[in-house]
Amino acid sequence: NAGVTQTPKFQVLKTGQSMTLQCAQDMNHNSMYWYRQDPGMGLRLIYYSASEGTTDKGEVPNGYNVSRLNKREFSLRLESAAPSQTSVYFCASSEGGSSGTEAFFGQGTRLTVV
Amino acid sequence: TQLLEQSPQFLSIQEGENLTVYCNSSSVFSSLQWYRQEPGEGPVLLVTVVTGGEVKKLKRLTFQFGDARKDSSLHITAAQPGDTGLYLCAGGGFKTIFGAGTRLFVKA
Repeated sequence: NAGVTQTPKFQVLKTGQSMTLQCAQDMNHNSMYWYRQDPGMGLRLIYYSASEGTTDKGEVPNGYNVSRLNKREFSLRLESAAPSQTSVYFCASSEGGSSGTEAFFGQGTRLTVV
Repeated sequence: TQLLEQSPQFLSIQEGENLTVYCNSSSVFSSLQWYRQEPGEGPVLLVTVVTGGEVKKLKRLTFQFGDARKDSSLHITAAQPGDTGLYLCAGGGFKTIFGAGTRLFVKA
């Protein structure tokens, strides 16, 4: 069981470059999420997709775009990377439902913007 | 704005000791989740507490949800080095928020 798979695992970008983080889940979950994790700040929600065909902003959406390609895949794009976007990015999925989220996480993408 | 505050931020103990970590908020949550995260990995769900006053046990880990559903605690009995990690509480619906975590180090 692969669960949630993220690619790449590591990336170094120069300021202003663009890139897309890929995420796929094989659990037939309805909802998918992108978080960033910074030291001392826990995980912060960037965007989520409650179901296929919908996306919504989370707590820190500025500088990011997302695409829910199909039920399995949810990508995160940085159009013009900035040093402030240096972080560890996690994709997660859950069965869905607004009353509580039990999420399954990928292994993370460690992004450094220089 | 909902916030989850976790304490302590860091805890270093000897194998065999007991410990409790806390997750507090001024907001009411319909449920809270506890996750453990090991270095280089994503968080892994440990438990969800739903009912005010609920107590759930997972081997040596005991989770409690406050009566008012604003706080939760995690108690570990006879900690082992394998318990080392970052413990995160989380709550909310689609816009789940996470606490900053308690980093636990258990020395052999």
